[in-house]
Amino acid sequence: DTAVSQTPKYLVTQMGNDKSIKCEQNLGHDTMYWYKQDSKKFLKIMFSYNNKELIINETVPNRFSPKSPDKAHLNLHINSLELGDSAVYFCASSQAGGANYGYTFGSGTRLTVV
Amino acid sequence: AQSVTQLDSQVPVFEEAPVELRCNYSSSVSVYLFWYVQYPNQGLQLLLKYLSGSTLVKGINGFEAEFNKSQTSFHLRKPSVHISDTAEYFCAVSAAGGYQKVTFGIGTKLQVIP
Repeated sequence: DTAVSQTPKYLVTQMGNDKSIKCEQNLGHDTMYWYKQDSKKFLKIMFSYNNKELIINETVPNRFSPKSPDKAHLNLHINSLELGDSAVYFCASSQAGGANYGYTFGSGTRLTVV
Repeated sequence: AQSVTQLDSQVPVFEEAPVELRCNYSSSVSVYLFWYVQYPNQGLQLLLKYLSGSTLVKGINGFEAEFNKSQTSFHLRKPSVHISDTAEYFCAVSAAGGYQKVTFGIGTKLQVIP
């Protein structure tokens, strides 16, 4: 059983399109995150939700909109995709309280914008 | 805000030799410290964490790290590496307490040479 699962694993799309990435966790965790990993492997937090409530919202273009329908799901919708959005996007989850419990990461979604 | 510096981008080491991956952090408040490992095309996996207490922390796969407050360091060590340890290793820091953002270093690629 996959603890944190993301779909799709690969996504190739043209500039200007709108796309969504889905994330689900079956660990019973209360907190979920989206991280972006660029081509140099640098990981940057984008958003964090605790029990469906947005608690961290970094400086991210408003073309990116997270949605958490329940505490087991955190989706990421991206409008008007740009070349610079190409990256690997990781979903993660943790127990309530966040960092001190450590994160469980999904296997990532590799987004390529052409 | 917290930051972390990983001093080596790549560390080649022969199989069965010891290894140390260096990490320094910066923070004006108490911190939690983490090491994560990323195998190719996978998400990150928690190796170990320091929250408080004993400064020597043991993790999975035979790794350990030592928290040194005076030197603001959290170096990762393994006495004898295996080919399977070849991966990217990320040091991470957060302010102590709940719902704090975790900031990752740029990663160190450990390459184990047969």
